[in-house]
Amino acid sequence: GIQVEQSPPDLILQEGANSTLRCNFSDSVNNLQWFHQNPWGQLINLFYIPSGTKQNGRLSATTVATERYSLLYISSSQTTDSGVYFCGGSQGNLIFGKGTKLSVKP
Amino acid sequence: DAGVIQSPRHEVTEMGQEVTLRCKPISGHDYLFWYRQTMMRGLELLIYFNNNVPIDDSGMPEDRFSAKMPNASFSTLKIQPSEPRDSAVYFCASSAGTTDTQYFGPGTRLTVL
Repeated sequence: GIQVEQSPPDLILQEGANSTLRCNFSDSVNNLQWFHQNPWGQLINLFYIPSGTKQNGRLSATTVATERYSLLYISSSQTTDSGVYFCGGSQGNLIFGKGTKLSVKP
Repeated sequence: DAGVIQSPRHEVTEMGQEVTLRCKPISGHDYLFWYRQTMMRGLELLIYFNNNVPIDDSGMPEDRFSAKMPNASFSTLKIQPSEPRDSAVYFCASSAGTTDTQYFGPGTRLTVL
């Protein structure tokens, strides 16, 4: 099956800073999604982005399918952005990376 | 829509007991997914259904686990007999299609003593 590698594993930011999270895949995937798990454990779907670029407020994502990676950009980070960010891709079933744990300090 | 509903939210049971987790997907969604999350293994997809039919159960850890979807608005994940290593948070999610956004329920935190 495909392998999903996320980097960095941990990230600490000061409120207002920008960040880039990366997701690499060992093989081509048919779909790619980004999720945020907040400190209370709730999983939230951020983007479905098999290719191209999408933006939603302060968050945006870019997937370069031919090079098997995706980037999640967080601009002007807020404390509410804290949590773990997962990417997942599939060739059938969705496989997740281990996540990037983000802590935004006030 | 109320979103994906899971019950119970917390379950504590003793080893050897049967555990049943329940999920109500978002109305109109044709796909339903069951996930498990542990510290050791992270997020894992256990099984998913399309139009109430199980499509891929390759993630189900062993025969002690079974999942059913008797109708479009209800699914169960059953563990019998339960073991301490089954302790995890179990999430249910639904989507309109396999390549569409998945929406997660709040999860069921299972503790097997």
